[in-house]
Amino acid sequence: QTVVTQEPSFSVSPGGTVTLTCGLSSGSVSTSHFPSWYQQTPGQAPRTLIYKTKIRSSGVPDRFSGSILGDKAALTITGAQADDESDYYCVLYISSGNNWVFGGGTKLTVL
Amino acid sequence: QVQLRESGPGLVKPSETLSLTCTVSGGSLSYYYWTWIRQPPGKGLEWIGYIYYSGSTSYSPSLKSRVTLSLDTSKNQVSLRLSSVTAADTAVYYCARDNQDGDLDYWGQGTLVTVSS
Repeated sequence: QTVVTQEPSFSVSPGGTVTLTCGLSSGSVSTSHFPSWYQQTPGQAPRTLIYKTKIRSSGVPDRFSGSILGDKAALTITGAQADDESDYYCVLYISSGNNWVFGGGTKLTVL
Repeated sequence: QVQLRESGPGLVKPSETLSLTCTVSGGSLSYYYWTWIRQPPGKGLEWIGYIYYSGSTSYSPSLKSRVTLSLDTSKNQVSLRLSSVTAADTAVYYCARDNQDGDLDYWGQGTLVTVSS
C-alpha cells in the first residue's frame, strides 16, 4: 500500500514564501511520479495548480511553482496572499499499479 | 465551455450499489481520461480511478474489487458503480477531466452520497 505524505498544516505570513512537500512513506519522489498539486477551499471542488512536477495549469499565477526537492515533490508559493489560505493536495502516479495516490493534504494558514 | 455534472442518488443503503453519472457538456469524451475522486466529510481526497475515452480503465487498488467505470459516448456520460457500500463510502464524489498527466482541468461540483439505512 503506497502512502503519500504531506505536512498536515503550515502557516505563512502575507507576502511570505512557503514550500509544501509531498513524499513517499518508502522511497523517493521523482519526475516519474508526475507529481500534481491541487488547491481546495471549503465547499469547492479542487483546482489544479501544478502537474508533471512543475507545469502550471491554465490560469495559475506564477506565484505557484513546483519542483523536486531532495526526495520529495514541492510546491512553493511566493508572495502569499490571504486567498491562498486553502487545503493543498498532492497526487503521485504509481507506475507499478498504474494508479494515482493522493497525499493527506496540507492546510495552509496565511496570517 | 466544458461543464461536468455528477448526478445520482444522495442516499444509498449499506451493502447496495452506488451508481453515479457524470454528464459532460460543451465538449467530447474523446481523447481524454475521465477521473473519479471522492472526499469523505472533513477528510482528504481519494483517487478512485479513471476511464480513457477508448474504454480502458485503472482503479485504486483499495477499491478495485468493488468499482466499475464505464462511458456512454452517445450520451457524453461517464458512470461510476461502487458495490457493497458501507458507511466508509460516504463522501462527496467528483468527476474530472484529465487533460494530461494529472492536469485535471475541469471538475464537476461534486455530489454527496451518504450510505445509511
